[in-house]
Amino acid sequence: GAVVSQHPSRVICKSGTSVKIECRSLDFQATTMFWYRQFPKQSLMLMATSNEGSKATYEQGVEKDKFLINHASLTLSTLTVTSAHPEDSSFYICSAPAGAATGGDTQYFGPGTRLTVL
Amino acid sequence: AQSVTQLDSQVPVFEEAPVELRCNYSSSVSVYLFWYVQYPNQGLQLLLKYLSGSTLVKGINGFEAEFNKSQTSFHLRKPSVHISDTAEYFCAVSDRKGFQKLVFGTGTRLLVSP
Repeated sequence: GAVVSQHPSRVICKSGTSVKIECRSLDFQATTMFWYRQFPKQSLMLMATSNEGSKATYEQGVEKDKFLINHASLTLSTLTVTSAHPEDSSFYICSAPAGAATGGDTQYFGPGTRLTVL
Repeated sequence: AQSVTQLDSQVPVFEEAPVELRCNYSSSVSVYLFWYVQYPNQGLQLLLKYLSGSTLVKGINGFEAEFNKSQTSFHLRKPSVHISDTAEYFCAVSDRKGFQKLVFGTGTRLLVSP
């Protein structure tokens, strides 16, 4: 099946620094990718939809200036957490729908990135 | 707005016993339902999905789920579990068939012991 990778798998940074997380579709092209955030013992919450060649669409309550998304190519989307603070510590997961011929009805998820802000 | 409720945060079960993981949803529009499994340190993997047609959906690893519109439920079942089924299971709903924005439940941890 299709594979989505994320890098890094784990990152620890100091408060005030910026962190970039990459999401790649390894064997298929993804014009759309999704970014989720998962706090401990909570559900995955959709943050934004990343669109290749256009601006990302953010969910209500998500600061677009804090969480910068760039969909640079058909296989790569990046999420940059700017001026990170301890409350941004979370598990960030991306997904990409595949099977465009069938309407992209199957989503493939990356393994996630654990961000810890000290 | 859509929402998903997974009432059981954890379900302990013995190996080879049957299991049911409960999922209830609310939606005011067309609904498409999914079950995902997350093994430790791995990404979410699709177990099965209901898009249309038969309300009984069969998925991978011997799992199945039944869409019940009147009860707004999509419970996941397996007749005989294995140790390797120990994982976190997420129910999700979308109002779109493709390129879905998914709304997830809080997850149910299935613990299978010998």
